[in-house]
Amino acid sequence: GAVVSQHPSWVICKSGTSVKIECRSLDFQATTMFWYRQFPKQSLMLMATSNEGSKATYEQGVEKDKFLINHASLTLSTLTVTSAHPEDSSFYICSARVGTSGDSPLHFGNGTRLTVT
Amino acid sequence: AQSVTQLDSHVSVSEGTPVLLRCNYSSSYSPSLFWYVQHPNKGLQLLLKYTSAATLVKGINGFEAEFKKSETSFHLTKPSAHMSDAAEYFCVVSDRGGGFKTIFGAGTRLFVKA
Repeated sequence: GAVVSQHPSWVICKSGTSVKIECRSLDFQATTMFWYRQFPKQSLMLMATSNEGSKATYEQGVEKDKFLINHASLTLSTLTVTSAHPEDSSFYICSARVGTSGDSPLHFGNGTRLTVT
Repeated sequence: AQSVTQLDSHVSVSEGTPVLLRCNYSSSYSPSLFWYVQHPNKGLQLLLKYTSAATLVKGINGFEAEFKKSETSFHLTKPSAHMSDAAEYFCVVSDRGGGFKTIFGAGTRLFVKA
């Protein structure tokens, strides 16, 4: 149980275009999902917390207009990288928590490798 | 604010020998602590978690970790390494002071030699 599906697993796009990444909780409802970015050989950096039915909460230094997050249902959150540039190339990972208790572990998608040419 | 420090960026062991991955945390509240493993270009898999119950926590694949409040540590161990254990390991802390956001350590790369 507690499967998080992330799509696509990899994407290559041209500079200036936008890319949408989907994160779905397959067998549970997630009122909150989290989006992380991971640079090569580095740890995960929390970008934003996605809240169902309300605006996402962004971490300091993350451009909300560049990384648009929509959490339209209890099982789907999307991250759109707008006007992508090569420096946005990275590994993006989403996660969701079963229930609302803070001591519940996160369940992660398999990540999306974004390459901007 | 909570934080977590993984003391080794990489650890190398021989197959069949013990594994020790070190983690220290900082938290003003009773923290929840987790260890996750990440294989190349993959998402993260939960190995084990501590949430104020037993201080010695057993996880999957033979891993275990001990919560030591006096030392603010949560080291991950395994008696005998297997080649398939080679991966990146992350220690993670979460507490109510941070709104239960999960904060990741920098990670430890485990190499297993045949």
